[in-house]
Amino acid sequence: GQSLEQPSEVTAVEGAIVQINCTYQTSGFYGLSWYQQHDGGAPTFLSYNALDGLEETGRFSSFLSRSDSYGYLLLQELQMKDSASYFCAVRTSDRGSTLGRLYFGRGTQLTVWP
Amino acid sequence: EPEVTQTPSHQVTQMGQEVILRCVPISNHLYFYWYRQILGQKVEFLVSFYNNEISEKSEIFDDQFSVERPDGSNFTLKIRSTKLEDSAMYFCASSPRKAGELYEQYFGPGTRLTVT
Repeated sequence: GQSLEQPSEVTAVEGAIVQINCTYQTSGFYGLSWYQQHDGGAPTFLSYNALDGLEETGRFSSFLSRSDSYGYLLLQELQMKDSASYFCAVRTSDRGSTLGRLYFGRGTQLTVWP
Repeated sequence: EPEVTQTPSHQVTQMGQEVILRCVPISNHLYFYWYRQILGQKVEFLVSFYNNEISEKSEIFDDQFSVERPDGSNFTLKIRSTKLEDSAMYFCASSPRKAGELYEQYFGPGTRLTVT
């Protein structure tokens, strides 16, 4: 089976940097994704790491270490609008299918204070 | 910007009734998915679909569930006989057709299903 662990909540102030960690256990690992979800809205894709290392997209960066089954999302220059839930999700397959599936963690609620 | 759309936004049904949730994926996408999210919980994979057949399905996706692409634009999820525990937000998602871009899934706004 699969399991993902991430903190349930994180708080920070505007302008700060926050790191949300994710550890996973899975078979058939293809890569690690991060999604943002505002209050019951649609999850929005932020990043994907298939290989070890850091991927940077604007204020957000994501890191993966496959040997450690670990990744993180780094949010810089935090803004109030970044307050949301952040989910790590492993792209995996039990059957070796090309599409695979996304297996989501329970999410980290980020609250940004002024 | 193209987006995934879903109808209805909210569906209320009685236990045992059939429901069909509808999705219109982004037009040039060929890979489709259904997920659900019970209130306050994580997003759970239900099924992936490509080339008019199911690619993969989860343990949740039992015989009560089915998916269909009845025409060139719609992608539907049918629940044959709803149970109270089917109450959740159901998200449709699609991925671009290019190899190597399958990882980026675009989610629709969801249909909130309430079974009474």
